[in-house]
Amino acid sequence: EPEVTQTPSHQVTQMGQEVILRCVPISNHLYFYWYRQILGQKVEFLVSFYNNEISEKSEIFDDQFSVERPDGSNFTLKIRSTKLEDSAMYFCASSDDYGYTFGSGTRLTVV
Amino acid sequence: RKEVEQDPGPFNVPEGATVAFNCTYSNSASQSFFWYRQDCRKEPKLLMSVYSSGNEDGRFTAQLNRASQYISLLIRDSKLSDSATYLCVVNPMNRDDKIIFGKGTRLHILP
Repeated sequence: EPEVTQTPSHQVTQMGQEVILRCVPISNHLYFYWYRQILGQKVEFLVSFYNNEISEKSEIFDDQFSVERPDGSNFTLKIRSTKLEDSAMYFCASSDDYGYTFGSGTRLTVV
Repeated sequence: RKEVEQDPGPFNVPEGATVAFNCTYSNSASQSFFWYRQDCRKEPKLLMSVYSSGNEDGRFTAQLNRASQYISLLIRDSKLSDSATYLCVVNPMNRDDKIIFGKGTRLHILP
């Protein structure tokens, strides 16, 4: 069964540093997403990406965040100048007409 | 009113029992509804889509009530492996660019 792959599974970074979270969506999917889940809280939408540009973004997705599809397979989320409150699980997802598939997530810990 | 609202639970249910929970949504124009399951610290996984006519998949039945703007999930003959958080998910604008998660309902099946 096709899957969405995320790396790394766990990232620890110092406050103020930049991190890049990587995702390989399912190859024939056209929409890509980043969601985050702070421990004990709900899954929150960050951004969607279609046709090589951002389709929609939430209030959370401010100038600190950016997304890129640098090649035909990878989809990245960059977080600049990380803050303690950025600590969360970050889920990548991709979708087709049949639904969404989520990756297993990257646990980001900002210390 | 929150976009997607669920009773957080936990629902503690003996094995073999039937359990049901609801989810309300605020946007009456929403067309797509889903139930996802999330195990502790894992990614959300699609359990079932919710169709206007209702749908059943084995022990699981999903219903949509447009008049009252809620969807429901019924689990019959519950198993220990059903213990998880069940996430109500709505596509509020009926576009492909995002889905909105409820905070989830925690279900514990007791032996």
